[in-house]
Amino acid sequence: ELKVEQNPLFLSMQEGKNYTIYCNYSTTSDRLYWYRQDPGKSLESLFVLLSNGAVKQEGRLMASLDTKARLSTLHITAAVHDLSATYFCAVVPNTGNQFYFGTGTSLTVIP
Amino acid sequence: NAGVTQTPKFQVLKTGQSMTLQCAQDMNHEYMSWYRQDPGMGLRLIHYSVGAGITDQGEVPNGYNVSRSTTEDFPLRLLSAAPSQTSVYFCASTGTGGVNGYTFGSGTRLTVV
Repeated sequence: ELKVEQNPLFLSMQEGKNYTIYCNYSTTSDRLYWYRQDPGKSLESLFVLLSNGAVKQEGRLMASLDTKARLSTLHITAAVHDLSATYFCAVVPNTGNQFYFGTGTSLTVIP
Repeated sequence: NAGVTQTPKFQVLKTGQSMTLQCAQDMNHEYMSWYRQDPGMGLRLIHYSVGAGITDQGEVPNGYNVSRSTTEDFPLRLLSAAPSQTSVYFCASTGTGGVNGYTFGSGTRLTVV
C-alpha cells in the first residue's frame, strides 16, 4: 500500500521563526506537488517538483525534492500570519497517474 | 475561464437517499478525479477518469458511481447515502500526464443524517 506521510501534523509557530514540514512517501516517484488549503476553502497549487534535486521558491516558502530518499520538504522562512493554513503534499508514482495525498500539516502562525 | 465547477456547494441528505454531485471543467483536461476529505485523513481518491468513456476505482469507491460521457463532465453519484459518507467532496482535473498538477473545484460539503 502506497503511503504518504507528513510531519508534523500540527504546527504552531511564532512569527519570524523558521520551520520545515516533511513529506515522506513509499513509492518510486519523480513527481511531487505541494498544495495549500485555507479553512473552508479548496486546495491551491503551490509547487510542482518534477525531478530529483528540484527546488522551488515562492516568497517565504521553499520546496525541495529528494527522490532517492523519497522525501520532500517545505521550508518556511520568517513565518507571517498569512501563512496559517493546511499544507498537503501529493505524490504520483512512476508506475501510474493517480495522485496520493498526505494527511496534511495544519500550520498556525502566532504573533 | 471557470476552471473546475462543482455543484452544489452544500447538501443535506437523509440516509438512503441518492443524489448526484456535479463536476464540470472547461480546460479540456483529460484526467478527472473525485476525492473525499475527512478530518485527519487527508484526501482519499474515490474514482477517477483518464478520458471520456473511461473510469476506474480509487481507494474508497464503495457506495459511489461515476460516468464520463464527455470530456467536460464527471458526475459522482451516491447510490444510497449513509452517515459514513458525510464529508467534503472535491473534484479535480489535470491535463495529459498531470505534469502541472490538479486544479480543484471549490468542494461540496455533504451531510447525511
